Amino acid sequence: AQSVTQLDSQVPVFEEAPVELRCNYSSSVSVYLFWYVQYPNQGLQLLLKYLSGSTLVKGINGFEAEFNKSQTSFHLRKPSVHISDTAEYFCAVSDGGQAGTALIFGKGTTLSVSS
Amino acid sequence: EPEVTQTPSHQVTQMGQEVILRCVPISNHLYFYWYRQILGQKVEFLVSFYNNEISEKSEIFDDQFSVERPDGSNFTLKIRSTKLEDSAMYFCASRREKTSPLHFGNGTRLTVT
Repeated sequence: AQSVTQLDSQVPVFEEAPVELRCNYSSSVSVYLFWYVQYPNQGLQLLLKYLSGSTLVKGINGFEAEFNKSQTSFHLRKPSVHISDTAEYFCAVSDGGQAGTALIFGKGTTLSVSS
Repeated sequence: EPEVTQTPSHQVTQMGQEVILRCVPISNHLYFYWYRQILGQKVEFLVSFYNNEISEKSEIFDDQFSVERPDGSNFTLKIRSTKLEDSAMYFCASRREKTSPLHFGNGTRLTVT
């Protein structure tokens, strides 16, 4: 069974600073990896995904993530954050070999950007 | 861009009552899901539905829960006899293929009193 660990429950940063949100997963099979963002009182919106190929994945809003198989990590990064990036960020994994497999989510990281 | 829509956005019900949460997935999607998020906690998988049957379910999805796709467009989650601990935000999601990302609705906030 897969699991996802987001090591940081809260990450406060100043505007225009770089940020990294950490995600580690465990799985005995190949995986698909995702980052979702949740703004207050809204649903989950896909930021980016890794299915195969290049380990550096670029997503929306200037975010990117790097898949590191040896470290079983999929950390999310942004070189310069904005106030509007304040939200909850969820890392998720699904089984790469099964049809219709559910996403397993981490507990989330609250990114708080202040001026 | 097509969206997953959920109704109602907020539902209040008394303990022991039945509730039905409604979702309209994106029209050409084949896989359907319900997730829930208890306030302050992580998003938890409840059930997945494919080819008109449940394909996976979690331990949370006990006999009090059921899902249905009654008419080819709606996808409903029924809770037969609600408990206080069922209070949560319930998200519906759908996707076209197993490699496609999930598209989530904005959720229904269920409050059980």
